[in-house]
Amino acid sequence: DTGVSQNPRHKITKRGQNVTFRCDPISEHNRLYWYRQTLGQGPEFLTYFQNEAQLEKSRLLSDRFSAERPKGSFSTLEIQRTEQGDSAMYLCAEIRTSTDTQYFGPGTRLTVL
Amino acid sequence: SQQGEEDPQALSIQEGENATMNCSYKTSINNLQWYRQNSGRGLVHLILIRSNEREKHSGRLRVTLDTSKKSSSLLITASRAADTASYFCATGGAQKLVFGQGTRLTINP
Repeated sequence: DTGVSQNPRHKITKRGQNVTFRCDPISEHNRLYWYRQTLGQGPEFLTYFQNEAQLEKSRLLSDRFSAERPKGSFSTLEIQRTEQGDSAMYLCAEIRTSTDTQYFGPGTRLTVL
Repeated sequence: SQQGEEDPQALSIQEGENATMNCSYKTSINNLQWYRQNSGRGLVHLILIRSNEREKHSGRLRVTLDTSKKSSSLLITASRAADTASYFCATGGAQKLVFGQGTRLTINP
């Protein structure tokens, strides 16, 4: 257990609905990352935050995706108008002070019907 | 796009045997990390090796790094059923991590 928590753990939704995931890192102000992982593939970077500032966004992060990190603490990832191709595991990670190691949460598995 | 490629994509061995997985990457790196992922779970960090290191050990794990060949290997000795998982190499660090596609390791009792 890395101490990074994600909620919900599973989400099933219908195409076209909006969904929001939450990530709670162990510490505030550490860098926080979002990744997406499809079946049989390695995780792919989506975006990351330093405090509340979103410093980089992947091309994978279409305009239907938005991520926030108010006050540099927890983070949310929202997907609007979900599509079946959004079905994946969404992983959150934080990097701890003075390390290059990212610690991952358990992930949120999204299924879009 | 994936930075690294793991080889083999799948590996099945008997309990007690050693398992070796390889990773190749494309660009210069500061460090390389290995993660384990049990089915449907998050990733667990195993080991980080820096670009100026050639070999690193952690328990039953041994990682090597050859920056001239842009490759790394992960050796798990005396495998156990609990080692059944997918193993990923990743490059990067404070910025984004770039993962390979992973090796699915199955340990048969």
